Amino acid sequence: DAGVIQSPRHEVTEMGQEVTLRCKPISGHNSLFWYRQTMMRGLELLIYFNNNVPIDDSGMPEDRFSAKMPNASFSTLKIQPSEPRDSAVYFCASSSVSGNYGYTFGSGTRLTVV
Amino acid sequence: KQEVTQIPAALSVPEGENLVLNCSFTDSAIYNLQWFRQDPGKGLTSLLLIQSSQREQTSGRLNASLDKSSGRSTLYIAASQPGDSATYLCAIPLAFSGGYNKLIFGAGTRLAVHP
Repeated sequence: DAGVIQSPRHEVTEMGQEVTLRCKPISGHNSLFWYRQTMMRGLELLIYFNNNVPIDDSGMPEDRFSAKMPNASFSTLKIQPSEPRDSAVYFCASSSVSGNYGYTFGSGTRLTVV
Repeated sequence: KQEVTQIPAALSVPEGENLVLNCSFTDSAIYNLQWFRQDPGKGLTSLLLIQSSQREQTSGRLNASLDKSSGRSTLYIAASQPGDSATYLCAIPLAFSGGYNKLIFGAGTRLAVHP
């Protein structure tokens, strides 16, 4: 298995632009998570899905952030419009709903908003 | 509310030393506990997963123990090497009505092993 695949690895964009981050979970995993990591706040859970359904989006900072999971093999995190304070590393992770086998993280997308 | 604490926050040691990293949690009703490693600018790599019914797990020079009753896990690194330099995070999944999910992370221990 190729693991959790995220794209792009790096994204530099101007303030106000729309940014879309992508994630492909491990096949067979039915839970998917989006985390954000900054020096100031560490790892923060933004949203997670079980069986493609959003379960908890209380970590999504503002309405500018939205996430979708149209099928079991793909999820997107969109920021529109982006702001400099959104600069961070965004990680996607997947697991089984039971969590029996632990969690696998992608390599992350480093977002810089200038 | 489950809280996860890691001590020490940072550790700098000479090569060859045996190390103990500590993780404590407030709610002992855990399902499992996972140790991760994160290199600077990289993602999280899973090191060891301990189920609640287990007392320890081993992988190479790494050994993780779990004591649910006292709310503690330790990660033991034998014969440390410069390549072990990284941040080590422990994490516990929170329960929800449909199962266990939503990892809660400690703040991590930043380890530096110098030659």
